[in-house]
Amino acid sequence: GPKVLQIPSHQIIDMGQMVTLNCDPVSNHLYFYWYKQILGQQMEFLVNFYNGKVMEKSKLFKDQFSVERPDGSYFTLKIQPTALEDSAVYFCASSFMKYEQYFGPGTRLTVL
Amino acid sequence: QQKVQQSPESLSVPEGGMASLNCTSSDRNFQYFWWYRQHSGEGPKALMSIFSDGDKKEGRFTAHLNKASLHVSLHIRDSQPSDSALYFCAASYNTNTGKLTFGDGTVLTVKP
Repeated sequence: GPKVLQIPSHQIIDMGQMVTLNCDPVSNHLYFYWYKQILGQQMEFLVNFYNGKVMEKSKLFKDQFSVERPDGSYFTLKIQPTALEDSAVYFCASSFMKYEQYFGPGTRLTVL
Repeated sequence: QQKVQQSPESLSVPEGGMASLNCTSSDRNFQYFWWYRQHSGEGPKALMSIFSDGDKKEGRFTAHLNKASLHVSLHIRDSQPSDSALYFCAASYNTNTGKLTFGDGTVLTVKP
């Protein structure tokens, strides 16, 4: 079936550095999402993106976070600067309209 | 209070048995409910959605929704070892953003 890819699978960085998480969504999908899952906790919505704009963001989507999808390429989540509490698994998802969301395998971010 | 709560936390059934997973919402504004399955090292994959009262059957999987009690369940008949995974209930509002609110998940183990 359709697959969402995420690069890298694991990223370790020092607190205060910038990190960019990359997502390759399903080719004909129009909506793109980021979710955050801290170990042992539920998955939580961060942001969704449609037609080049953020449609909705949660309180977890801090000012240090930004998303973009330049020229229809990767859908990216950038965190600048990173904080210890940003350590989590970040899942990207995409959907055609607001239907079934297809999730990638996640990027495990460790902030030291 | 979490808006989507799942029970039990973990469940073990013998191969060929019936597995029943439960989900309760505290927000009457949720319109759509999803069941997602996540195998270790992978992202969640949608099993089925339900938004009307009653049962919805897809193969060995049956979802049941009772909007009055805000309760949704998933029943897996003839459980297979490959069904062993983490199962999430997720809910969304009737908006254009498609934001999903997840429960904590139920770990299902099917023993051969």
